[in-house]
Amino acid sequence: DGGITQSPKYLFRKEGQNVTLSCEQNLNHDAMYWYRQDPGQGLRLIYYSQIVNDFQKGDIAEGYSVSREKKESFPLTVTSAQKNPTAFYLCASSPGLAGYDEQFFGPGTRLTVL
Amino acid sequence: GESVGLHLPTLSVQEGDNSIINCAYSNSASDYFIWYKQESGKGPQFIIDIRSNMDKRQGQRVTVLLNKTVKHLSLQIAATQPGDSAVYFCAENVSFKAAGNKLTFGGGTRVLVKP
Repeated sequence: DGGITQSPKYLFRKEGQNVTLSCEQNLNHDAMYWYRQDPGQGLRLIYYSQIVNDFQKGDIAEGYSVSREKKESFPLTVTSAQKNPTAFYLCASSPGLAGYDEQFFGPGTRLTVL
Repeated sequence: GESVGLHLPTLSVQEGDNSIINCAYSNSASDYFIWYKQESGKGPQFIIDIRSNMDKRQGQRVTVLLNKTVKHLSLQIAATQPGDSAVYFCAENVSFKAAGNKLTFGGGTRVLVKP
């Protein structure tokens, strides 16, 4: 089945630790995205990537880092510099960066900082 | 499962009735709009989209209406079913932007279907 997978589903982290969230897609999509979702709010864009080895900051990139070494993978690292990392993290992909390209979402990872 | 929105506006609707979910968008340059459905603990799913050269678009049991004059978008669900219970988000995009496909999401509305 084609789709987007995120792992793990639940993640717990101690304060001061970096943690990496996985996102893989087998849709052969060029573009990939990371969003953060907080209770009572919509999705906010953290980073996006149009092509391998290239990525751009979104609206709330501070405290996060990404890499795009392979077309199918776009891992997100939540660093200790992120002051309020507890949230639901969603990865998405689209065929390209054209304005009408539909974004397909993964199932999400819920990160909790203890 | 997790709740994706503890303090969202909530629409309670009787099973079989029609639902109307409203969204006000902010950017007058936006020319592409999408409705997503998100069930608890899951990622958003695409429902229907509309471009700004249209006022109305219909899908299976869903209709999206666009009023560009007042920057308002609505989603109508016909004969609402228990499986329609979810949080619904609108998203807007300026398709011709050089930066491409960056969606701006609204805050969401929770729909609860009563049996």
